[in-house]
Amino acid sequence: DQQVKQNSPSLSVQEGRISILNCDYTNSMFDYFLWYKKYPAEGPTFLISISSIKDKNEDGRFTVFLNKSAKHLSLHIVPSQPGDSAVYFCAASSFGGAQKLVFGQGTRLTINP
Amino acid sequence: NAGVTQTPKFQVLKTGQSMTLQCAQDMNHNSMYWYRQDPGMGLRLIYYSASEGTTDKGEVPNGYNVSRLNKREFSLRLESAAPSQTSVYFCASSRQGFFSGGKLFFGSGTQLSVL
Repeated sequence: DQQVKQNSPSLSVQEGRISILNCDYTNSMFDYFLWYKKYPAEGPTFLISISSIKDKNEDGRFTVFLNKSAKHLSLHIVPSQPGDSAVYFCAASSFGGAQKLVFGQGTRLTINP
Repeated sequence: NAGVTQTPKFQVLKTGQSMTLQCAQDMNHNSMYWYRQDPGMGLRLIYYSASEGTTDKGEVPNGYNVSRLNKREFSLRLESAAPSQTSVYFCASSRQGFFSGGKLFFGSGTQLSVL
């Protein structure tokens, strides 16, 4: 059972426009959510996170939105740049549970010039 | 500052062969993890070590063993490799488990093919 789902395997966006990556989760015990970015032949790197007590967290061009009632979060990148082309993983964990971070399948974002 | 170092970067095995993937971190982190990445499956946790001297199973531990050699090093062993273990393996570390905000620092991965 896939507890964290990224239903879009790929996304193509024009440079300068907004990129929106989506993530859904099924486990209501999750209370901390993260986005990781991965370039080819490299390991994932942490991008931004949000706890369940917030509905928005912003860091420069990156904003994560959390809708707890819908069990949905999204990552907005504005404006999108060519260097943003990568695979983005959504991940979730529970402070009250075991030390496990559950990842989604990933979305490959391509920024076109 | 090397961060998390994995060796080897690439490996080809025959079914039934054994091998050990090595991982070392120089950030004085307490917790270390092994993940595998497969197409359409994301990253799945194989084993983790919350602190030196402890190890626990993750989501997909079958066919693997681990050793937390010391605070810096966490190795993953395949005793009898199977084609289903063809994957990209990532080692990661964090300051204090997932409760440190879930910030994991990953190595660059090991591409393993089992024929």
